[in-house]
Amino acid sequence: ETGVTQTPRHLVMGMTNKKSLKCEQHLGHNAMYWYKQSAKKPLELMFVYNFKEQTENNSVPSRFSPECPNSSHLFLHLHTLQPEDSALYLCASSQEGAGEHQPQHFGDGTRLSIL
Amino acid sequence: DAKTTQPTSMDCAEGRAANLPCNHSTISGNEYVYWYRQIHSQGPQYIIHGLKNNETNEMASLIITEDRKSSTLILPHATLRDTAVYYCIVRRGAQKLVFGQGTRLTINP
Repeated sequence: ETGVTQTPRHLVMGMTNKKSLKCEQHLGHNAMYWYKQSAKKPLELMFVYNFKEQTENNSVPSRFSPECPNSSHLFLHLHTLQPEDSALYLCASSQEGAGEHQPQHFGDGTRLSIL
Repeated sequence: DAKTTQPTSMDCAEGRAANLPCNHSTISGNEYVYWYRQIHSQGPQYIIHGLKNNETNEMASLIITEDRKSSTLILPHATLRDTAVYYCIVRRGAQKLVFGQGTRLTINP
C-alpha cells in the first residue's frame, strides 16, 4: 500500500546514536500507530495516537519517544537503544470514531539494526 | 479480545482456491473477525473483516460459522503472489490489533 509511507526503509545505528523514524499517511485518517515486529515474534503494539494525542503506551521503554505533530505525521525518536531493539518498526493509520469498524492500514516498515 | 488459533502452515496449488481456517471459540457478540496478510519484507495488508454475515470483496471471501466460533478465509483463485503469512484477528472495538503467529501460506506452481 502507498497510503502510509515510512522512511528510512533500513537503518543501522550504534547504541549511543540518536535517530528518528518517520511515518506519513495520505489517507486522511485521524489515528496513527507504532508497532514492533521482532524476528520470529508477532507484531506488538507500541503507541496509539488519536487526533495527535497519545492514548496508549504499551509499556514501551523511554528510549523510544514518539511524536505526532499533526494527524498525517508520526515520528519515533530513538536514543541509547539496545541490541534487542533490532526489529521491523511498522506504522499504521486508521479512521476512528465513525461508528463502523475501520481497518488499520500499514506502511512497509523500517528495518532497524542496532550494532 | 478473544484468542485465535490457526494452522502454522498450508500449501495450495496455483489457480486453486485457498481455504484458511481460524478458530475463535471464545469470541463475544460484539467482536469482529479481521484478516490481514504479510508478504515478505512488507507491512501487513488488510484483507477483509466481518461480524456474523459472510463477506466478500475483490480480494477474498470470509465465511463465519453460525455460532461464530470459527471462520474461513477463501482466496478463490490463488496466485504465486498470494504467498504470505495470513493473520486472523478478533477485535472488539479497541484500537489494539493483537497479532498471533498466523498461517504461512505457500502457493505452489
